[in-house]
Amino acid sequence: EDQVTQSPEALRLQEGESSSLNCSYTVSGLRGLFWYRQDPGKGPEFLFTLYSAGEEKEKERLKATLTKKESFLHITAPKPEDSATYLCAHPGGITQGGSEKLVFGKGTKLTVNP
Amino acid sequence: DVKVTQSSRYLVKRTGEKVFLECVQDMDHENMFWYRQDPGLGLRLIYFSYDVKMKEKGDIPEGYSVSREKKERFSLILESASTNQTSMYLCASSFLSYLSGSSVNEQFFGPGTRLTVL
Repeated sequence: EDQVTQSPEALRLQEGESSSLNCSYTVSGLRGLFWYRQDPGKGPEFLFTLYSAGEEKEKERLKATLTKKESFLHITAPKPEDSATYLCAHPGGITQGGSEKLVFGKGTKLTVNP
Repeated sequence: DVKVTQSSRYLVKRTGEKVFLECVQDMDHENMFWYRQDPGLGLRLIYFSYDVKMKEKGDIPEGYSVSREKKERFSLILESASTNQTSMYLCASSFLSYLSGSSVNEQFFGPGTRLTVL
C-alpha cells in the first residue's frame, strides 16, 4: 500500500532558528509531491507541487526540495506566524474513472516561539 | 484565486438525523473530493467525483453518500448521523489529469465543516 511518512511529528523552534521537515514515500513513479499548510480549525492551504527529483520551489521563508524517495521543507529564519501543521501528499494511483487520489501524511506540527 | 466554499463552518446534529454538507468551487475543476480529518488519523478520503453524476468510493465510504448534479457543486450526505461521524469534513477540488500515468494536479481545499453529532 502506498504510504507517506512525515517526520518529526512535532517540532518546536525559536524564532530565527532554521530547520527542515521530512516527507518520505513508498510509491513508485514520481507524479507529483504536494506540500500544504494547515492552521488549526481550517482547511489545508496549498503551498507547492514538485514533479522531478532535484526540483526546488520557494515561497518566502519556505523552500521545498525533492529526491526520488523523499521531500524536505526547509524553513529559514522562521517567525511565529509560520506556526502550523505542514502536510505532504503523493498521488495514490489512477482510479477506474481516470481521476487521482492523494495519499496524505499525518503532518508535522510546527511551533515557532518568539 | 481558487475558491472552494463549504455551506457551514460548524454544525450540530442529533443521532439519526439526515445531514447535508455542500461544497461549491468556482474554478471549473473536474474533480471534487470529500475528506474527513480526525486527530491521529490524518485526512481520509470518503468519496470523490470526476464528472457530473459520476462518483467513486474512497477509503471510508460507509455511512455516507454523495451527489453531483452540477459541475461546481458536490454534496456529502450522512443518511443517519451517528456519534462516530463527529469530525472535521473537508471538501477539495482539482483539474483532471487526462492521461494515465501523467503528472497529477494539486487539490485545493475549502475551509472545512466541524460536525458534531450528539
